[in-house]
Amino acid sequence: DGGITQSPKYLFRKEGQNVTLSCEQNLNHDAMYWYRQDPGQGLRLIYYSQIVNDFQKGDIAEGYSVSREKKESFPLTVTSAQKNPTAFYLCASSIYITSTDTQYFGPGTRLTVL
Amino acid sequence: AQSVTQLDSQVPVFEEAPVELRCNYSSSVSVYLFWYVQYPNQGLQLLLKYLSGSTLVKGINGFEAEFNKSQTSFHLRKPSVHISDTAEYFCAVSLMDSSYKLIFGSGTRLLVRP
Repeated sequence: DGGITQSPKYLFRKEGQNVTLSCEQNLNHDAMYWYRQDPGQGLRLIYYSQIVNDFQKGDIAEGYSVSREKKESFPLTVTSAQKNPTAFYLCASSIYITSTDTQYFGPGTRLTVL
Repeated sequence: AQSVTQLDSQVPVFEEAPVELRCNYSSSVSVYLFWYVQYPNQGLQLLLKYLSGSTLVKGINGFEAEFNKSQTSFHLRKPSVHISDTAEYFCAVSLMDSSYKLIFGSGTRLLVRP
């Protein structure tokens, strides 16, 4: 089955640690995205990538970093510079990065800072 | 600036009753419109989208939405809800320009009671 996988499902981090969230897709999509979801709020875009070896900051990129070395993979690192990282993180992909393309979402990773 | 407003944070309804989830948007350029559904602790799934043509759009699971340009609204409706429709529903817009960006509302939690 084609789809998007995210791991781990739950992640606990101590303050001052960097953690990396995995996102893999086998849909052969060019574009990939990372969103952050907080209770009672919509999704906010962290980073996006149109193609391999290219990525752009979204609305809330501070304290996060990404890489796109393979078409299938778009890992997100939450660094110690992110002041309030506890949230639900969603990865998505679309065929291309256009206004009409449907974004397909993974099941999410819930990050908790202890 | 563009924005999406979902005024109802929670909508309780009895099983088999009709429901309407409201969405209004503000934008200086024309938009495409989307409704996504999120079941507990899962990613988002597209319900339906409006790109052009008939203003009444039918989606999955018996949902439909109507685009009203004069009122800048895209309300979601279902004539008879099931317990399994209990979820969070997000309205989103993307701009008919060169940007890719999907702008989400804060979500409406639909709670279907037996």
